[in-house]
Formats: sequence, structure tokens, C-alpha cells
Amino acid sequence: DGGITQSPKYLFRKEGQNVTLSCEQNLNHDAMYWYRQDPGQGLRLIYYSQIVNDFQKGDIAEGYSVSREKKESFPLTVTSAQKNPTAFYLCASSIEGGSSGRNQPQHFGDGTRLSIL
Amino acid sequence: AQKVTQAQTEISVVEKEDVTLDCVYETRDTTYYLFWYKQPPSGELVFLIRRNSFDEQNEISGRYSWNFQKSTSSFNFTITASQVVDSAVYFCALLSGGSNYKLTFGKGTLLTVNP
Repeated sequence: DGGITQSPKYLFRKEGQNVTLSCEQNLNHDAMYWYRQDPGQGLRLIYYSQIVNDFQKGDIAEGYSVSREKKESFPLTVTSAQKNPTAFYLCASSIEGGSSGRNQPQHFGDGTRLSIL
Repeated sequence: AQKVTQAQTEISVVEKEDVTLDCVYETRDTTYYLFWYKQPPSGELVFLIRRNSFDEQNEISGRYSWNFQKSTSSFNFTITASQVVDSAVYFCALLSGGSNYKLTFGKGTLLTVNP
């Protein structure tokens, strides 16, 4: 089945530790996104990538890093600089990253819940 | 700046009742897109509908219907004859001209449908 796979489902981070959240899609989508969701809040964009080897900061990029070496993969690293990492993280993808694809719906994974130990 | 307001934080209804979820948006762009997503307890967001700013036709899909009114900057979502499986958080989102792929989400409305 085509879709977006996020792993792990639950993740715990120790003080001062970097952790990486995985996001893989087999939809052949060009664009991929990372969002953070806090309780009672909407989603906020962390990073997005329109095409392989390119990515842009979203609204809350500080303390996070990403890479886009392959079309199907867009891992997110939560660094020790992110002082409040406890949240639900959602990865999404959409068909095209160009201007013609901007209105295409984004499809989401099941999310990763990150907590502090 | 783009903004989406979902004033209803939580709504509780009894099965078979109709329910309307409100969404009000703000943007200075003339071209924009509006979306509704459903987030069941499992966590993933499920795409429900997209509407562009030039198409004000209302849409019906089964028990779901959407009322887009540019005059009031609203894009409301109605579920007819609600069912327990409709229980979820519903998000309205806006994508507009200057946002470079960034969806602006409302804070969501938690809908609980009781049997």
C-alpha cells in the first residue's frame, strides 16, 4: 500500500541527546514536510523540502535539522538545542513541490510522540 | 499574515444529530486554498476537502458538506446525521499566495459523538 511511514511511534529523549525521527514515503511525492503538534494546538511547520537535496525552514526550525538525500526519505533530528521537544511530530508529503503543486493536499503519516526522560 | 480561527474548541453531540464546525480565515491574497483535515485518535491527519478561492460552490460528499463564503471569510463544515466514528479533531487550514507551501492550521475542534 502507498503511504507515509513514520518511526518510531514513541520516542524518549534524554537530556542533551539528539534523536532522529524517520519519515519514509512510497507515494513518489516530490515535497515533504515536518510539523509539530502541541496539545490543543494546530500544527506548526518545522521544515519542508520541495525536492531532493533541498529544504527550507518553517516557522519553528530552531533546534531541529533535516536532510533530503533521497526522494522517499526526510528524517528529522531533534537536537539538544531544542529545549522543549515534547510534542507529537507529523510528517507529510504532497505530489509536487513546484508552484503548480502548491495547492495539492498534503498526506500525513501516523506521527511520532516524543517525550523527555 | 495568514490566520485561521476555529472558535469551537470542543463540541459534543448525540449520534444522528447534525453538527457544524466553524472556520474563519484571514489572508490578503486573492488566490488561496482552504482545506479540512480529520485527526482521529490514532493521530494521522486525513485529508477531507480542498477548495480554491475562485470556487465558491458548496460541496456535498455523503454526510459531509462544506459552505464556503468569501464575503464572511468562512469555510464551515457540516456533518449530517453524525456517527460515533466521526469523533475526532477537525482542522481547517489555509494555503495562500505568499506562504510558500506553508499550511496555516487552526487550533482544531474536538468533536465527540456520543451513542
